[in-house]
Amino acid sequence: EAGVAQSPRYKIIEKRQSVAFWCNPISGHATLYWYQQILGQGPKLLIQFQNNGVVDDSQLPKDRFSAERLKGVDSTLKIQPAKLEDSAVYLCASSLEVYNEQFFGPGTRLTVL
Amino acid sequence: AQSVTQPDIHITVSEGASLELRCNYSYGATPYLFWYVQSPGQGLQLLLKYFSGDTLVQGIKGFEAEFKRSQSSFNLRKPSVHWSDAAEYFCAGTGGGNKLTFGTGTQLKVEL
Repeated sequence: EAGVAQSPRYKIIEKRQSVAFWCNPISGHATLYWYQQILGQGPKLLIQFQNNGVVDDSQLPKDRFSAERLKGVDSTLKIQPAKLEDSAVYLCASSLEVYNEQFFGPGTRLTVL
Repeated sequence: AQSVTQPDIHITVSEGASLELRCNYSYGATPYLFWYVQSPGQGLQLLLKYFSGDTLVQGIKGFEAEFKRSQSSFNLRKPSVHWSDAAEYFCAGTGGGNKLTFGTGTQLKVEL
């Protein structure tokens, strides 16, 4: 069974630029999550989708971050414009349904200069 | 606030020695608790989980954890550590909802 796929694996941008990350969850998983993991901290949930609807985006900085999950499969997370403090690893996870085990992708390491 | 706490930022053990990583939780109801491991450049891998029932939970790679309600703890243990166990370990929990809250992690170093 293929795992959660993410791309790119690494990205370096200047502050005020925009960037997008892509996630392909495990086939059949209805729930998709985006986490932000700052160096030295545990992952923090940014947004959770159930199929193509948003369940929780309470910790998403909506003035600069946006996410979508068209057709309830792949998802993209965008940052525009980026700030220095957005430097982090962005992890995507998926689960069969809410309350099920979450499977994590390898993450995208973002460096904002 | 509902949360999990990992009091140890770094732990160093010798290969072959036993290991215990601490995790304390703060939830009103019986929480769902997890231990994940993260190797450099890798995503998080689930080691084990506790939902209910037997308080001693067996996981992958020879790890186990014990849920102790009286101490609000869910410590991770392994009787004999291997060099390949060097990684960062995260305790995570949810208070019955699905929002997973992670601890700050414990970095494990294994001395040969």
